[in-house]
Amino acid sequence: EDQVTQSPEALRLQEGESSSLNCSYTVSGLRGLFWYRQDPGKGPEFLFTLYSAGEEKEKERLKATLTKKESFLHITAPKPEDSATYLCAVQVDSGGGADGLTFGKGTHLIIQP
Amino acid sequence: DGGITQSPKYLFRKEGQNVTLSCEQNLNHDAMYWYRQDPGQGLRLIYYSQIVNDFQKGDIAEGYSVSREKKESFPLTVTSAQKNPTAFYLCASSRDSHDHEQYFGPGTRLTVT
Repeated sequence: EDQVTQSPEALRLQEGESSSLNCSYTVSGLRGLFWYRQDPGKGPEFLFTLYSAGEEKEKERLKATLTKKESFLHITAPKPEDSATYLCAVQVDSGGGADGLTFGKGTHLIIQP
Repeated sequence: DGGITQSPKYLFRKEGQNVTLSCEQNLNHDAMYWYRQDPGQGLRLIYYSQIVNDFQKGDIAEGYSVSREKKESFPLTVTSAQKNPTAFYLCASSRDSHDHEQYFGPGTRLTVT
């Protein structure tokens, strides 16, 4: 069974205090790994897609990396507006077309001014 | 503006009633998806459709039904057979079966009492 585990469940940081969120996965045939940001009561907002081990992508204060077993979302010098729940999801190569994503439970990030 | 719309934002129903949630997209995407989100759990796939007039069950399809008569629309019906229908429902779409990035709508919060 495909599994996605995110840690920690919650993280509280001071403004400017860099850290990393972890997403470990156990799947057969990874097609892609995705990071989303979700604000309370809203739909997830797409951040990054990673396809192969060693790949890295950056956007403002966020940087996502991928290994064969896990992905990290690094947050550099965060600001209060970075507070949100960050979701990790995987898509598995089932031989078909556009299959759905398998999501982790998310990391709830709070940045204190 | 291109995007995904879901209506209504909040929906209240009595137990035993069927209810239909709307999802419309003007992104010209072929694939559409329905997910359910519960507190403390990751998003779970209910149904997905790769093309008009075709759809497949996801991980938790029991008690739900869908139709895909138009490319732009993918309504979800929550039937009285769904044992725990109260949840946050999210619709998503992706460009085609080779485009793995899914974009989400704002969600509908359904409360059944």
